[in-house]
Amino acid sequence: QVQLQESGPGLVKPSETLSLTCSVSGVSINSFYWSWIRQAPGKGLQWIGYDSGGIKYNSALNSRVTIFADSSMNQFSLRLTSVTAADTAVYFCARARRRDGYTFFDMWGQGALVTVSA
Amino acid sequence: SYVLTQPPSVSVAPGRTARIPCGGANIQRTTVQWYQQKPGLAPVLLIYYDSDRASKIPDRFSGSNSGNTATLTISRVEAGDEADYYCQVWDRSSDHEVFGGGTKLTVL
Repeated sequence: QVQLQESGPGLVKPSETLSLTCSVSGVSINSFYWSWIRQAPGKGLQWIGYDSGGIKYNSALNSRVTIFADSSMNQFSLRLTSVTAADTAVYFCARARRRDGYTFFDMWGQGALVTVSA
Repeated sequence: SYVLTQPPSVSVAPGRTARIPCGGANIQRTTVQWYQQKPGLAPVLLIYYDSDRASKIPDRFSGSNSGNTATLTISRVEAGDEADYYCQVWDRSSDHEVFGGGTKLTVL
């Protein structure tokens, strides 16, 4: 059974770096693509980026975001620099399935709430 | 950037059919996915590639895509279907994944 679990600090100070890790069990991360998606309180979903054979990021966050994988740990991670209150959100990791460029997200972690506050 | 438009809310009586639209310029040229999200939980994939049902999703859920509108149809609506529903596409021009703003389905 495939499971995804986000982990990381729930509170980050403004201007600092948000770091989250997604631990994957039940499948090798080398066999699929992986993504980060966030949801601000009371708002909709926003795609952050994914590793789909090449790393792609949402251009709205491009200069601040890094996604990278650690195959030895079967994990992939998110780093978001220079955070502000607008980055307060629940951050989800998800498995991305792609065919001819078209993507769907078929497995999701439970989500991790990250609050940006001094 | 590509914009997907969903109505903020849709209401339906139990046992009836709910239709949730997702509008986008020439959306028929891409494929549309649908997710269900209940409060405090992660989204769940319902439909991918316009009309394929995800694993273990009942056949009461179906999708279509034509012209400028994709539609999620929920037949024989149950109280447990009350949730937020999101559409999602890949925008080829920007190479971005885009989500609609979400529609809250209320079962009367």
